[in-house]
Amino acid sequence: GQQLNQSPQSMFIQEGEDVSMNCTSSSIFNTWLWYKQDPGEGPVLLIALYKAGELTSNGRLTAQFGITRKDSFLNISASIPSDVGIYFCAGQNYGGATNKLIFGTGTLLAVQP
Amino acid sequence: NAGVTQTPKFQVLKTGQSMTLQCAQDMNHEYMSWYRQDPGMGLRLIHYSVGAGITDQGEVPNGYNVSRSTTEDFPLRLLSAAPSQTSVYFCASSYSKGQGFYNSPLHFGNGTRLTVT
Repeated sequence: GQQLNQSPQSMFIQEGEDVSMNCTSSSIFNTWLWYKQDPGEGPVLLIALYKAGELTSNGRLTAQFGITRKDSFLNISASIPSDVGIYFCAGQNYGGATNKLIFGTGTLLAVQP
Repeated sequence: NAGVTQTPKFQVLKTGQSMTLQCAQDMNHEYMSWYRQDPGMGLRLIHYSVGAGITDQGEVPNGYNVSRSTTEDFPLRLLSAAPSQTSVYFCASSYSKGQGFYNSPLHFGNGTRLTVT
């Protein structure tokens, strides 16, 4: 099945550093979503992007919807230990009959205090 | 609100056994779905439902059955468990299934960790 290419697979950083991760697809989406999964829990939505070129922030998180509609980026500024988790991108095409998301393979983030 | 509730949290099965993973949501969501999460594979859609009485297959439906008799519940059945079904299973729901859904992103449960020996 279709999957999104997400990179990097994992990141080990020091507290206070900035983080960047990205997601690419061979097909176009009209919605990009970023989720975070804490250990032992389900994914939680961080940011939703609905328009090509859109740049949206949520606190220290900033995400962008690529103008080609085939990619998206997530940046985390001034990382803190609670940022630890797995970050997933997801693409979606609304207007269809379903709410199916295509997920990326995830980026594992570890933050050293 | 409890949100999306999944039971059990952990389960160990022997090959060939059957079981049902339960999922319930109290948000009056039309859309419900089941995903499995495997290392390095992200989340893959198993089955989904756009409303009571309606179900459809996702990306990896083989070996799983679902039904949607009520808006609130969406159980996932494994008829004859296989080691390849060892995974973490997530149920997710959202308010709307199609146009206009963009204001209603998926809400996930906390998962069921299944091991098949």
